Amino acid sequence: QQKVQQSPESLIVPEGAMTSLNCTFSDSASQYFAWYRQHSGKAPKALMSIFSNGEKEEGRFTIHLNKASLHFSLHIRDSQPSDSALYLCAVRSGGSNYKLTFGKGTLLTVTP
Amino acid sequence: EAAVTQSPRSKVAVTGGKVTLSCHQTNNHDYMYWYRQDTGHGLRLIHYSYVADSTEKGDIPDGYKASRPSQENFSLILELASLSQTAVYFCASSEQGDSYEQYFGPGTRLTVL
Repeated sequence: QQKVQQSPESLIVPEGAMTSLNCTFSDSASQYFAWYRQHSGKAPKALMSIFSNGEKEEGRFTIHLNKASLHFSLHIRDSQPSDSALYLCAVRSGGSNYKLTFGKGTLLTVTP
Repeated sequence: EAAVTQSPRSKVAVTGGKVTLSCHQTNNHDYMYWYRQDTGHGLRLIHYSYVADSTEKGDIPDGYKASRPSQENFSLILELASLSQTAVYFCASSEQGDSYEQYFGPGTRLTVL
């Protein structure tokens, strides 16, 4: 069964800093890798995703994937207080239809 | 934007009672999911469905049943609610295709006393 782990569990950074969040997975046949963001008391919402090795940038957010290392990450440039939220990584295992396995999350706080 | 609604938004139930949580989507998506969220556990999949009148077990199905009477509606049923089922429950939907993005409802906070 797919195991997805996130680090760190929580993180406090000052406004304007670069933030890095990590996610490891166990199934080398995994095919879809995503980050979801959940503000306090709200529903999770997809932030960005990647399918193949490399990186993808959307505004201040960059996702890196290294399948050989079973690792992907999210980097937030110029972090803002509005980025404060729970960040969940999600992975689709090979052959698992459309099921996703989520990590436990990293709670990010960006201080003004 | 995709729309998933849940009812009720919060509920207090007694131990041993029956609880039904409802989910409705207007996205015309084939897939629907039920997750529970507990502090320190992220999102855990309970049941999911890819077609009406059929449901599949997720990773933690014990103590839960699911029903998909139509493409738009998906219910989660707790026949005998227990204290350990106190959690926030999220419904989600996704389309069948190249995007695996899931769209979540606002959640139902269930407290079992």
